Amino acid sequence: GAGVSQSPSNKVTEKGKDVELRCDPISGHTALYWYRQRLGQGLEFLIYFQGNSAPDKSGLPSDRFSAERTGESVSTLTIQRTQQEDSAVYLCASSLESGGAGNEQFFGPGTRLTVL
Amino acid sequence: SQKIEQNSEALNIQEGKTATLTCNYTNYSPAYLQWYRQDPGRGPVFLLLIRENEKEKRKERLKVTFDTTLKQSLFHITASQPADSATYLCAYRDSSYKLIFGSGTRLLVRP
Repeated sequence: GAGVSQSPSNKVTEKGKDVELRCDPISGHTALYWYRQRLGQGLEFLIYFQGNSAPDKSGLPSDRFSAERTGESVSTLTIQRTQQEDSAVYLCASSLESGGAGNEQFFGPGTRLTVL
Repeated sequence: SQKIEQNSEALNIQEGKTATLTCNYTNYSPAYLQWYRQDPGRGPVFLLLIRENEKEKRKERLKVTFDTTLKQSLFHITASQPADSATYLCAYRDSSYKLIFGSGTRLLVRP
């Protein structure tokens, strides 16, 4: 595709429900990142995938959060038993490769999650 | 812990003036810094990358400097326009290759 796409663009859910957010990276990009951005705040790193290496999950805030990536394509971020503090925009980004090459990240439009 | 800081207060300037945004980092010496622009409701968009051995980088009306002694990067927009109004984020890749972002500085350019 032309860029990184994310779905849904908006998600409203009730506290305690599970949600699944999807990211389609740019074809050929080996690195994929998930970030969380609360209203008026900066980007909070959650997790990143690089090729077939084990993902870096060091930013996941709790065990209610998990993510998977199929090969070098689609990724899903799952939040179980959602809480109101999970309300935020979840951004996905991809890049050609991670490491010292300094490759820019291409961001999707984000999924705005609202937990009632 | 590694930290990257940007001025949280919005920068409000008159059209035509030069906007200067600051990014400071501590406890780490990144090989390069990246600058992104973020408009409301959108994901960030890459603008410029500057390496530690580059003192200055330019792209059209944008200029970035990197002072490894001060641990600081400055981002300048010359001849600013209302369309430049956005939030600007700096970022560096840490030792485990994660891209760490600052919280961003909002720029408002008055016509």
